Amino acid sequence: AQSVTQLGSHVSVSEGALVLLRCNYSSSVPPYLFWYVQYPNQGLQLLLKYTSAATLVKGINGFEAEFKKSETSFHLTKPSAHMSDAAEYFCAVSEAGGSYIPTFGRGTSLIVHP
Amino acid sequence: NAGVTQTPKFRILKIGQSMTLQCAQDMNHNYMYWYRQDPGMGLKLIYYSVGAGITDKGEVPNGYNVSRSTTEDFPLRLELAAPSQTSVYFCASMVRGGGRDEQFFGPGTRLTVL
Repeated sequence: AQSVTQLGSHVSVSEGALVLLRCNYSSSVPPYLFWYVQYPNQGLQLLLKYTSAATLVKGINGFEAEFKKSETSFHLTKPSAHMSDAAEYFCAVSEAGGSYIPTFGRGTSLIVHP
Repeated sequence: NAGVTQTPKFRILKIGQSMTLQCAQDMNHNYMYWYRQDPGMGLKLIYYSVGAGITDKGEVPNGYNVSRSTTEDFPLRLELAAPSQTSVYFCASMVRGGGRDEQFFGPGTRLTVL
């Protein structure tokens, strides 16, 4: 079985500050991990993914995430927040070579203050 | 490629009415999914399909039906609309293998049942 926990339904930062969105997962087999972003009134789009290659993954718009197996975490970071980063962020896990049904976290709403 | 398309974008139904939400993808993906998104609840899987002619229930299938007669299309049918089906519905497709397993989402259909 697999599960995802996103800590914090809302995260508020000032423009230019560090963004840290937390994701912890549970999986009985090696996982694939994803971060998706959803802008208002739009569908989800892939931000970045970990599929068993490099543990530090870089995505679009300056975001990156690090897979830490010992901590079962895949936290999303960005050094300097921009107003355009305000959106809903979803972490997801699937089983490498296994189930084709990803499990999504409940999402974290990122609020960026000027 | 148009990617994943959904129609309609918005719809208001009366209790007891029926409708079909359309979903199509032009990426030749075998896997397709229907989700509903309610505020603060993340994505809930309604139905999924691993290929033409094969469908299966997800987490919340009651009140819905699907069919998959072609690789491209995956319509979702609501037979007797209820207020509890007020939600935003997202269709997604996925290609597996080669370290991919990422989902591509449509723009969503916002449904209100009154």
